Amino acid sequence: KTQVEQSPQSLVVRQGENCVLQCNYSVTPDNHLRWFKQDTGKGLVSLTVLVHENDKTSNGRYSATLDKDAKHSTLHITATLLDDTATYICVVGDRGSALGRLHFGAGTQLIVIP
Amino acid sequence: AQTIHQWPVAEIKAVGSPLSLGCTIKGKSSPNLYWYWQATGGTLQQLFYSITVGQVESVVQLNLSASRPKDDQFILSTEKLLLSHSGFYLCAWTALPNSDYTFGSGTRLLVI
Repeated sequence: KTQVEQSPQSLVVRQGENCVLQCNYSVTPDNHLRWFKQDTGKGLVSLTVLVHENDKTSNGRYSATLDKDAKHSTLHITATLLDDTATYICVVGDRGSALGRLHFGAGTQLIVIP
Repeated sequence: AQTIHQWPVAEIKAVGSPLSLGCTIKGKSSPNLYWYWQATGGTLQQLFYSITVGQVESVVQLNLSASRPKDDQFILSTEKLLLSHSGFYLCAWTALPNSDYTFGSGTRLLVI
């Protein structure tokens, strides 16, 4: 059973527009949540990590929220650029230790067009 | 600065042949190391993790094995490849559980 669900599956936006990616999960316990960017056929680049209830983070044009009660996170990308075209993956860690396991979502494929 | 290097970048191998994928981390002592696998069009899955030299824990086996012969090296291998082993293999490290995970650039494997 998929424990990390991302929506939408894919999204096309025009350069300069804002977009919001959603992540719902059922992983328990939910120690932390991460958002990664994956360019096609490449490794993952960490965008942000959220740890606490109602955490909010900001990293340049990327901002994220976490609602642990609702087991829900959002990733906002403002003023999109063509280079933002990639798959964005939501990952939930079930423990705060190396013994913990990361649970990956299937990703949202974002395409930014001119 | 810490760097993570995976090799090879890509491989095409025959069913039944052996495989060895490598991952090296430089600039960080005693990192926590991880292997992940992504089937084409699929979701990443954690395969193995290691918190110290000589100690490897399996999360999902997939008829693969992993070893950590040195503090900065993590090896993924099998003696007989299956078609189902095709996919994208990623190595990652982290120093502390809630600090950033740093991923390698991956190895793309095609088994024919």
